[in-house]
Amino acid sequence: GAGVSQSPSNKVTEKGKDVELRCDPISGHTALYWYRQSLGQGLEFLIYFQGNSAPDKSGLPSDRFSAERTGGSVSTLTIQRTQQEDSAVYLCASSPRAGYRSEQYFGPGTRLTVT
Amino acid sequence: KQEVTQIPAALSVPEGENLVLNCSFTDSAIYNLQWFRQDPGKGLTSLLLIQSSQREQTSGRLNASLDKSSGRSTLYIAASQPGDSATYLCAVFTGTASKLTFGTGTRLQVTL
Repeated sequence: GAGVSQSPSNKVTEKGKDVELRCDPISGHTALYWYRQSLGQGLEFLIYFQGNSAPDKSGLPSDRFSAERTGGSVSTLTIQRTQQEDSAVYLCASSPRAGYRSEQYFGPGTRLTVT
Repeated sequence: KQEVTQIPAALSVPEGENLVLNCSFTDSAIYNLQWFRQDPGKGLTSLLLIQSSQREQTSGRLNASLDKSSGRSTLYIAASQPGDSATYLCAVFTGTASKLTFGTGTRLQVTL
């Protein structure tokens, strides 16, 4: 079946602009996660959704970052007033349910470059 | 705060060799440990998931072990092939947070 998809695959934006990154999870997966992978920082957690609610937003680095999920499916990660340090690969993952018993399945990522 | 370390950071082996990748974590109160591979420019592919109550998991040429009390896991790859070349990441699921904490990765190259 279809895996996790993300769009766009690449995004180049100017410093100060807003960007939206999209994630389509595997159909039927109730949990959705956003991670960021940057040079020197490794792969770090940003936020996760159970259904449409976000019980854990602890990884969002600043209030310029926000995310929403609608219909228990598609999620959008929005970065306002982008900065150069936001340049990274943003990965989305989904799992059948939240919690430790479920594997997380990752999408191909969106490579964001802020110039 | 959970910290996950992987050794070595990079490894090059000739085709056919058996090899071991190491992962260590500072907080032994984990619920599970997952091994992933990442190909250049690609997302993560899940290889094996070990629950905290398990000691090992096997899939084909891959075998992952978990020693929770000592904070260690190993990924054993038998009869390595050039197609195994990738970065291997381990990640642990800790505490009440529904998230993975990732290691730093081991970049593996299998040469002909």
